[in-house]
Amino acid sequence: DAKTTQPPSMDCAEGRAANLPCNHSTISGNEYVYWYRQIHSQGPQYIIHGLKNNETNEMASLIITEDRKSSTLILPHATLRDTAVYYCIVRVPSGNNRKLIWGLGTSLAVNP
Amino acid sequence: GAVVSQHPSWVICKSGTSVKIECRSLDFQATTMFWYRQFPKQSLMLMATSNEGSKATYEQGVEKDKFLINHASLTLSTLTVTSAHPEDSSFYICSASGPGLVLYEQFFGPGTRLTVL
Repeated sequence: DAKTTQPPSMDCAEGRAANLPCNHSTISGNEYVYWYRQIHSQGPQYIIHGLKNNETNEMASLIITEDRKSSTLILPHATLRDTAVYYCIVRVPSGNNRKLIWGLGTSLAVNP
Repeated sequence: GAVVSQHPSWVICKSGTSVKIECRSLDFQATTMFWYRQFPKQSLMLMATSNEGSKATYEQGVEKDKFLINHASLTLSTLTVTSAHPEDSSFYICSASGPGLVLYEQFFGPGTRLTVL
């Protein structure tokens, strides 16, 4: 699975959009981009995933560049409860033995 | 999303004792479960992958005789930390996946905080 690079930390004002970048320049054609987050002392929570089209769900939007070498997770109106570590992972989804490789993620602090 | 539970949520034990942690998929059949360990301010480290009815596959450096994993049913996997020592104190997290989930997505339990005195 391709490696990802994320900034170690970011700040965002409450109510504003939080844009979290992720570089995955070695991504291959059949790898998906997944985003998870982990609030302190809890298990990770799935947010969203995509292959090449932009995706949106009730939690966030995922923007993937045309060359698929980078992506951005957007939390449109960040709240204090969005303070967490956000992980960007790329993997081939087929087969339930495919393990997730976790980097250090981006620690997002949403400030009042 | 699918729901995964863990029990207990926290446990304190004496050095040398064994501790069992349960991971359950509540609303789907988990053909595969993953066990992770996370130390403070560090990322998740995969310990082992277990398929229902088969022996677990352990990651390099993880002692299989110390961390016993059983996945005897499609909804339950257990991790037993045998002869626990203070350095085993950590946050243990399980995740579950199965063919009923979209793209074999993994869903995570809330974690178990183990403190070994």
